Amino acid sequence: AQSVTQLGSHVSVSEGALVLLRCNYSSSVPPYLFWYVQYPNQGLQLLLKYTSAATLVKGINGFEAEFKKSETSFHLTKPSAHMSDAAEYFCAVSQISGSARQLTFGSGTQLTVLP
Amino acid sequence: ETGVTQSPTHLIKTRGQQVTLRCSSQSGHNTVSWYQQALGQGPQFIFQYYREEENGRGNFPPRFSGLQFPNYSSELNVNALELDDSALYLCASSFASGGYGRNEQFFGPGTRLTVL
Repeated sequence: AQSVTQLGSHVSVSEGALVLLRCNYSSSVPPYLFWYVQYPNQGLQLLLKYTSAATLVKGINGFEAEFKKSETSFHLTKPSAHMSDAAEYFCAVSQISGSARQLTFGSGTQLTVLP
Repeated sequence: ETGVTQSPTHLIKTRGQQVTLRCSSQSGHNTVSWYQQALGQGPQFIFQYYREEENGRGNFPPRFSGLQFPNYSSELNVNALELDDSALYLCASSFASGGYGRNEQFFGPGTRLTVL
């Protein structure tokens, strides 16, 4: 079974600083990987996805992630944090369950942006 | 383009009761997945419906069941509610054309279920 591990349940950065949220995956086949963001009392919004095309993936709101097979990582970055980036971020891998394609999520990283 | 909608937004039930949650998929999508997100955790896959049939299930007991309707909307039913069923229930829609379909799933805002 495929899985993802998010290192750091809480990350704090100052406004304007680099954001780095870590995700490592475990997969015996080329994975499809995703980052989602969840604002308080809301559902999940897709930030970006990796589907075996370019290894550097650009998403919405200035976020990007790089797929590194040698490190089995898919870390999320943003050069300059904004207050509006404060939210919970989930890394997920897509895998087959029966005839369905399901998402398996990490435990999440809560991002706090300090003024 | 209409996004994924869910109803109700909040629900309070007592242990042993039954509950039905509803989801309307995004326009153009034909597949619906349901996830349970307990407080402080990532979402867990419950099951997926395609062509009105369940085509995949996670590690959830049979008292979790669902339906998909011809217009691709869906229901999640939970019988004999337990305290641990308290969670945010998320519906996600996607498009599949045979096979396993595309990867991208779009989520609704969720239904917050509290079991007392």
